[in-house]
Amino acid sequence: LAKTTQPISMDSYEGQEVNITCSHNNIATNDYITWYQQFPSQGPRFIIQGYKTKVTNEVASLFIPADRKSSTLSLPRVSLSDTAVYYCLVGEGVGNQGGKLIFGQGTELSVKP
Amino acid sequence: DTEVTQTPKHLVMGMTNKKSLKCEQHMGHRAMYWYKQKAKKPPELMFVYSYEKLSINESVPSRFSPECPNSSLLNLHLHALQPEDSALYLCASRGSGAYNEQFFGPGTRLTVL
Repeated sequence: LAKTTQPISMDSYEGQEVNITCSHNNIATNDYITWYQQFPSQGPRFIIQGYKTKVTNEVASLFIPADRKSSTLSLPRVSLSDTAVYYCLVGEGVGNQGGKLIFGQGTELSVKP
Repeated sequence: DTEVTQTPKHLVMGMTNKKSLKCEQHMGHRAMYWYKQKAKKPPELMFVYSYEKLSINESVPSRFSPECPNSSLLNLHLHALQPEDSALYLCASRGSGAYNEQFFGPGTRLTVL
């Protein structure tokens, strides 16, 4: 499984755009990139998933360059409620329900007023 | 219903006790997962069940015994645990939707005395 590397922590202010980059140099051809958000004492929650180029949903955008060795989660106009840990996962995505999904160390995002 | 439920929410047990954690989902997902999470650390994969069969065991000590009685239920039987086993135990299920994302329960906070 591809190992992921993310910044341990990031600080931001309300209303700013936050970009969290994840490095995954050994990503395999059939691997997808998935991001989860976790609040204290809760289970992680799916944010976004992509394979290549750019994916956008109502919560975030995910940018993946052509070589797929990194990805960037972009959170537009963050609020205090976006303070959480964000995990980048690389693994078997669509089509493999029982595949391994291994969490990296995560990025602790702190949003200040 | 996109919810994974876990009971109990909190559990305190002695090292000689036998207890069980329960996880339930009604999304028709055929893959279910157990993770262990220590404070300030990422979730750590323990077991994966695929179509009610154990498909992945991440070298978990035998004092943890998983069971999948049917496609909606997942149990984790605990016996002779150690204080270092105190953690948040997370259950997740994964289906065949557009993103194959995992849905996590809120977790059981386990304390071993």
